Amino acid sequence: GAGVSQSPSNKVTEKGKDVELRCDPISGHTALYWYRQRLGQGLEFLIYFQGNSAPDKSGLPSDRFSAERTGESVSTLTIQRTQQEDSAVYLCASGSRYTEAFFGQGTRLTVV
Amino acid sequence: AQTVTQSQPEMSVQEAETVTLSCTYDTSESDYYLFWYKQPPSRQMILVIRQEAYKQQNATENRFSVNFQKAAKSFSLKISDSQLGDAAMYFCAYRSSGTYKYIFGTGTRLKVLA
Repeated sequence: GAGVSQSPSNKVTEKGKDVELRCDPISGHTALYWYRQRLGQGLEFLIYFQGNSAPDKSGLPSDRFSAERTGESVSTLTIQRTQQEDSAVYLCASGSRYTEAFFGQGTRLTVV
Repeated sequence: AQTVTQSQPEMSVQEAETVTLSCTYDTSESDYYLFWYKQPPSRQMILVIRQEAYKQQNATENRFSVNFQKAAKSFSLKISDSQLGDAAMYFCAYRSSGTYKYIFGTGTRLKVLA
C-alpha cells in the first residue's frame, strides 16, 4: 500500500484480556515506531525498531506491553491483561534515515 | 537527553489572519532535524514542514513557514492566511541525525475562527 496501515481501526476489549495491534509500514522503510496517545494528550513514545538493530524499548510502560517486528515489515504490539488505563489511540509510524516519519491512522483501544 | 517544549496549549486565530506557534528544544547535538506535524480530528498525523539543522534558510511550504533560530534552539511555525481546515493539534518534533527516534512536544491546539 501507499501508506502506513494499522488494524483494527477500533478495538473494544474487556479488562484482563490480551490484545494485538498490527502495523504495516511503508515498503522500504527501515524504522518503525509505536506511540500511545491518550485523549487530548500528546504522543507517548513506546518502542521503535531500526533495521536489524535491537529495538529501543525504553518507552514501554510495563512488562504487559511487548512488540515484535518481522524483518522490515509488519509489526505487532501486544498488550497483555489489559487495564482501563491502557485505553488510548495507538499510533504506528514508519520512516527512513532521510525521510520524516509517516503515520498510520491509529488504533483506538477501549478497555471496558 | 533532548526535550521539546510547546508552551502554548491552545491558540486561536481569525480566518485569513496569521498565527505563530512556538517550539523550543534542548539538545547538545549539532546535526538534527525538526518537524511540525498536524493532527486534525481524524487523528491522522500529517507532516507540515521539516527543517534540517545544517540549513540556515528557513523552510517554507505554501502558507506555512518556520523561524528557525539554532542558537536560541527555537523553531516556531507561522501560518499565514489561516483557513478553517488548519484547525488541528500541531506537534513540534525533534530527531537526531544519528538516530531514528523522534521526540515530540505536548502539542498546541489551534482554533480557527470564522
